[in-house]
Amino acid sequence: EPEVTQTPSHQVTQMGQEVILRCVPISNHLYFYWYRQILGQKVEFLVSFYNNEISEKSEIFDDQFSVERPDGSNFTLKIRSTKLEDSAMYFCASRGQGFGYTFGSGTRLTVV
Amino acid sequence: AQSVTQLDSQVPVFEEAPVELRCNYSSSVSVYLFWYVQYPNQGLQLLLKYLSGSTLVESINGFEAEFNKSQTSFHLRKPSVHISDTAEYFCAVSSTGTASKLTFGTGTRLQVTL
Repeated sequence: EPEVTQTPSHQVTQMGQEVILRCVPISNHLYFYWYRQILGQKVEFLVSFYNNEISEKSEIFDDQFSVERPDGSNFTLKIRSTKLEDSAMYFCASRGQGFGYTFGSGTRLTVV
Repeated sequence: AQSVTQLDSQVPVFEEAPVELRCNYSSSVSVYLFWYVQYPNQGLQLLLKYLSGSTLVESINGFEAEFNKSQTSFHLRKPSVHISDTAEYFCAVSSTGTASKLTFGTGTRLQVTL
């Protein structure tokens, strides 16, 4: 069964540093998403991406965040200057024309 | 905008007992409904979804959920749980629009014991 692949599985970074989280969505999917889950809390929507542009973003997705689909296969989330409160599990998801959202296994980001 | 309410943060249950995890949603537009399961230190796995048709949907591992439009509910049930069902269960909703996102509830921790 096709999978959404996320790398790395765990990243530790110092406060103020830039991080890039990578995702390879399912190849024929058209819609791409990033979510985050702070430890013990709900899964929160960050941003959706379709047709090479952001289609929706949440209040969490401020100027420190950006997304890119640089080469038609990867889908990246960049955090420019990380804060302690950015520590969370970040999930990438994709879906095709139907409504089968497939999630990756996540990247655990720890900001120290 | 949509929202999801999962009133039960934790549900303890004995093995082989039935269980119901409650989910209510709010939306001004038509919605699709989902249940995801998250095992410890793992990602989100789709358990089942309601898009259209029969209001009763089933998963391959014995869970079922029924869409009730009048009560705006999508409760998850299983007649007999196993230890391996211990996990966090998230109810989610999306609108039927093109690039719709999923909106999740706060989750219910199902703890199955002997």
